[in-house]
Amino acid sequence: AQSVTQLDSQVPVFEEAPVELRCNYSSSVSVYLFWYVQYPNQGLQLLLKYLSGSTLVKGINGFEAEFNKSQTSFHLRKPSVHISDTAEYFCAVAHRDDKIIFGKGTRLHILP
Amino acid sequence: EAGVAQSPRYKIIEKRQSVAFWCNPISGHATLYWYQQILGQGPKLLIQFQNNGVVDDSQLPKDRFSAERLKGVDSTLKIQPAKLEDSAVYLCASSVGQFDTQYFGPGTRLTVL
Repeated sequence: AQSVTQLDSQVPVFEEAPVELRCNYSSSVSVYLFWYVQYPNQGLQLLLKYLSGSTLVKGINGFEAEFNKSQTSFHLRKPSVHISDTAEYFCAVAHRDDKIIFGKGTRLHILP
Repeated sequence: EAGVAQSPRYKIIEKRQSVAFWCNPISGHATLYWYQQILGQGPKLLIQFQNNGVVDDSQLPKDRFSAERLKGVDSTLKIQPAKLEDSAVYLCASSVGQFDTQYFGPGTRLTVL
């Protein structure tokens, strides 16, 4: 069965510093990969997704993620964070013809 | 474009009572999802509809949970009877098709006492 692991439950980062949120998945077949964000008191929204093609995926708000098949990873990065990036970030994986599985989430704290 | 609507936003019930949640997806979205998000965890898919047919309900506790999507538009999720461990946020999402971008509603926070 597929699974997704977010290695960090919380990540504190100083404002304007770079950040990487880690995500690993277990699968032996082709997968679709997603990052969703949940801002305080708001619903989940899609940041970016990988379905096929280029392994570097660019999303909204300056985020990007790189699909690494050999390491089964899909880490999320941003070169310079802002206070408005404070949120919980969820990595998710799905196979064709199977349900989407979400990770437990990583809470990003931006320090002034 | 109107987003995914859910009601109620909050619900408090006692164990063994029944509760129902309603979801109205974005117009034209064929796929509708119900998720359960327990505090500190990611959303867990309970059931996925394609139009008014069930695509996946493998994680739905069918002895107490039921869901329907009449006419392929809005949907209801029911819990009967509720248990303490059902306390969670219930999220509804919709998409044009499977693996297309899912748009989430604000959720219903259920507290079972």
